[in-house]
Amino acid sequence: AVQLVESGGGLVQPKESLKISCAASGFTFSNAAMYWVRQAPGKGLEWVARIRTKPNNYATYYADSVKGRFTISRDDSKSMVYLQMDNLKTEDTAMYYCTAAPAKDLWGQGVMVTVSS
Amino acid sequence: NIVLTQSPATLSVTPGESVSLSCRASQSISTSIHWYQQKSNESPRLLIKYASQSISGIPSRFSGSGSGTDFTLSINRVESEDFSIYYCQQSYSSLLTFGSGTKLEIK
Repeated sequence: AVQLVESGGGLVQPKESLKISCAASGFTFSNAAMYWVRQAPGKGLEWVARIRTKPNNYATYYADSVKGRFTISRDDSKSMVYLQMDNLKTEDTAMYYCTAAPAKDLWGQGVMVTVSS
Repeated sequence: NIVLTQSPATLSVTPGESVSLSCRASQSISTSIHWYQQKSNESPRLLIKYASQSISGIPSRFSGSGSGTDFTLSINRVESEDFSIYYCQQSYSSLLTFGSGTKLEIK
């Protein structure tokens, strides 16, 4: 099946770190730019990070709100994309979605990250 | 960063009506705009890409238009399953951004 499945969410305290993962299947992962998008409770969608493909040198881009704290990476051999989140803040509390959109209409089910003391 | 302004924030309509949702960019973005639908407690779904390109499996009542800074998502004869939130997104810049959304609700 063509799908994205996130994992690794949970409850952490402010200033702590967390790494969430996304497993892809059913399509040629190595050809797809991948993204993380988040949605705080009751709020709209916010683009978080982007990683391009090998021919584009795995270039990465970040929203201003997370730049310097979050790192997106991928492992094409495992069809995985990751988001390492450091120095977490309460405002990072959100559902985090892995997606290949807009090139592919493919979204994960989301993983909840809660930052609270 | 490119700012996308969606209007109206809420649109109240009767099933069977046709509607237009607006998305305005803070600078020209050619046709690098995409539209998503999000129903409550679900992941978003891509409706239209690059302003007017249709997506496989999306009903033909959804269409998109525009270029430069002004874009429109049109729904011809709204059905009950269409009541949800709609977002536009730009990919002209390497730093992607979303609009704040338009909620389509039953009148």
